[in-house]
Amino acid sequence: DVKVTQSSRYLVKRTGEKVFLECVQDMDHENMFWYRQDPGLGLRLIYFSYDVKMKEKGDIPEGYSVSREKKERFSLILESASTNQTSMYLCASRGHQYGYTFGSGTRLTVV
Amino acid sequence: DQQVKQNSPSLSVQEGRISILNCDYTNSMFDYFLWYKKYPAEGPTFLISISSIKDKNEDGRFTVFLNKSAKHLSLHIVPSQPGDSAVYFCAASAPHGANSKLTFGKGITLSVRP
Repeated sequence: DVKVTQSSRYLVKRTGEKVFLECVQDMDHENMFWYRQDPGLGLRLIYFSYDVKMKEKGDIPEGYSVSREKKERFSLILESASTNQTSMYLCASRGHQYGYTFGSGTRLTVV
Repeated sequence: DQQVKQNSPSLSVQEGRISILNCDYTNSMFDYFLWYKKYPAEGPTFLISISSIKDKNEDGRFTVFLNKSAKHLSLHIVPSQPGDSAVYFCAASAPHGANSKLTFGKGITLSVRP
């Protein structure tokens, strides 16, 4: 089974901090994704990457950046955390099949 | 513009009865559809999928129906169990290319009452 591992389950950061959310997958998948989930808004795509060093903006990229230096690792960066970035962050990967495999999520609180 | 719509935000059913979760889409290029289930504080997990060449796919208590002409799909859970209480996301994909991605609905919160 594909495993997608997110480094932290819960994180509390201060406003203005630079925040790194790490995601690692172990099945050599080309495609990786970062979503955030908020009540009533569903899953919203922040960024995705279809290859090493490649990245594309999703629907809500503002305030975020990403890094994919190695195929198995996709990092989400909050340049200067704000309270409206308090959310559940979900990483996913996909190989040749249609479906995604999601990580367990990181619940980020910005105070 | 929402291409995948789950118009009912929540559904409550009695244990043992049928749960029907609906999903509509607008993009006629979508050719593959999936349902994901999500418990609080966990990532979504794949539940069941259907290709546009089919109109029904069944897996145990879960059946997905696809009506292409109406651009509508539904997930049936029979019989419903308390452990089915979760958020259910409908997702759709256009023909699979290197950069294709899933488009998700906003989710339906299902509550199954004992």
